[in-house]
Amino acid sequence: QKEVEQDPGPLSVPEGAIVSLNCTYSNSAFQYFMWYRQYSRKGPELLMYTYSSGNKEDGRFTAQVDKSSKYISLFIRDSQPSDSATYLCAMSALFQAAGNKLTFGGGTRVLVKP
Amino acid sequence: DGGITQSPKYLFRKEGQNVTLSCEQNLNHDAMYWYRQDPGQGLRLIYYSQIVNDFQKGDIAEGYSVSREKKESFPLTVTSAQKNPTAFYLCASSMAQQASGRSLHFGNGTRLTVT
Repeated sequence: QKEVEQDPGPLSVPEGAIVSLNCTYSNSAFQYFMWYRQYSRKGPELLMYTYSSGNKEDGRFTAQVDKSSKYISLFIRDSQPSDSATYLCAMSALFQAAGNKLTFGGGTRVLVKP
Repeated sequence: DGGITQSPKYLFRKEGQNVTLSCEQNLNHDAMYWYRQDPGQGLRLIYYSQIVNDFQKGDIAEGYSVSREKKESFPLTVTSAQKNPTAFYLCASSMAQQASGRSLHFGNGTRLTVT
């Protein structure tokens, strides 16, 4: 079993809909949670960062962490065709801080149709 | 503009040949990383370096080698010992001692195809 599970999709939604993405994990030591966006043939770029549990909002993006359920989510409101990309979750534990060792999910491909 | 440059974008090699992927950064970051990305498997860490002339193995270092002679450069060699070398390779950098990966910057990758 992978340490971080993420549905590969593709997830297809009409423009303006809410995109809901999630990851589950098994390592209870994970404390830092991130979402990266990766366009085709490009490197990932950091979208959202959360420490421990709770919600974080940034414009159209909301990240949620539920450590009791080992479950994290990313919501994209008012989705645009430019949001079409692969979304990767990533996480790390405090003791992995040296070298920024992250554990990544496999990514979910999202397609927003005009 | 500061950033990470990976070259070439696409690379084709015959089985049994070693190949070196280039990674250069002008962000003045101390730490650099190599990841491999395969469909549906997420990014896996190959090697990382936190300082010049020092590097550590990641989770899948077998069949790969690196060097860190300059702060700006962290080339990756895929050797003939790597059993499944065809993949998308990503180089990244960060300031040293930055926990959590919050400051990880990625290049745009090199797609290596070995036939």
